[in-house]
Amino acid sequence: KNEVEQSPQNLTAQEGEFITINCSYSVGISALHWLQQHPGGGIVSLFMLSSGKKKHGRLIATINIQEKHSSLHITASHPRDSAVYICAVGKHSNYQLIWGAGTKLIIKP
Amino acid sequence: DVKVTQSSRYLVKRTGEKVFLECVQDMDHENMFWYRQDPGLGLRLIYFSYDVKMKEKGDIPEGYSVSREKKERFSLILESASTNQTSMYLCASTLGGQNTEAFFGQGTRLTVV
Repeated sequence: KNEVEQSPQNLTAQEGEFITINCSYSVGISALHWLQQHPGGGIVSLFMLSSGKKKHGRLIATINIQEKHSSLHITASHPRDSAVYICAVGKHSNYQLIWGAGTKLIIKP
Repeated sequence: DVKVTQSSRYLVKRTGEKVFLECVQDMDHENMFWYRQDPGLGLRLIYFSYDVKMKEKGDIPEGYSVSREKKERFSLILESASTNQTSMYLCASTLGGQNTEAFFGQGTRLTVV
């Protein structure tokens, strides 16, 4: 079983819909990251969080440490939000990040 | 802003060639990483370095080596390129310690023919 599991793998929605992407992990973490990868390869960090909730524009990330679960929400989704969203966790014990497989999101106009 | 720069965006090499992929970061980050990304497999760690001249194997080091002679530069070397090393290669850096926020280069799409 992977230490970081994301769901769904693929998600297609209409413009304007509220989007939720989930991430569950099974290890002790120092922080959880949400990243975005657009076609063409570049990866950018969206959030780094270790508790509670963070908001940036239409993006909201939450984490429940007890349940080892995080969600990324997109409100009023737009075609430019189409990308792969990746969850990663930083373990307490070392320098490495453990990566989820990513969720491919397509927003149709 | 942190900038992580990879030397090439696209590269085509022949089987058996020695290939160098270079990565430079400009924010004095301690940790640097090389990943490869393949469809359906996500990011897989090849090697990482937590200090100059220090390196550790990741999950898939076979067929690769690395060099970190200076703090800002981390090189990935394919000693004898093979077609199964055709992939997207991504370099990343993190500040160090408990701060694991990763900054990525733009990626190098390597094709071995």
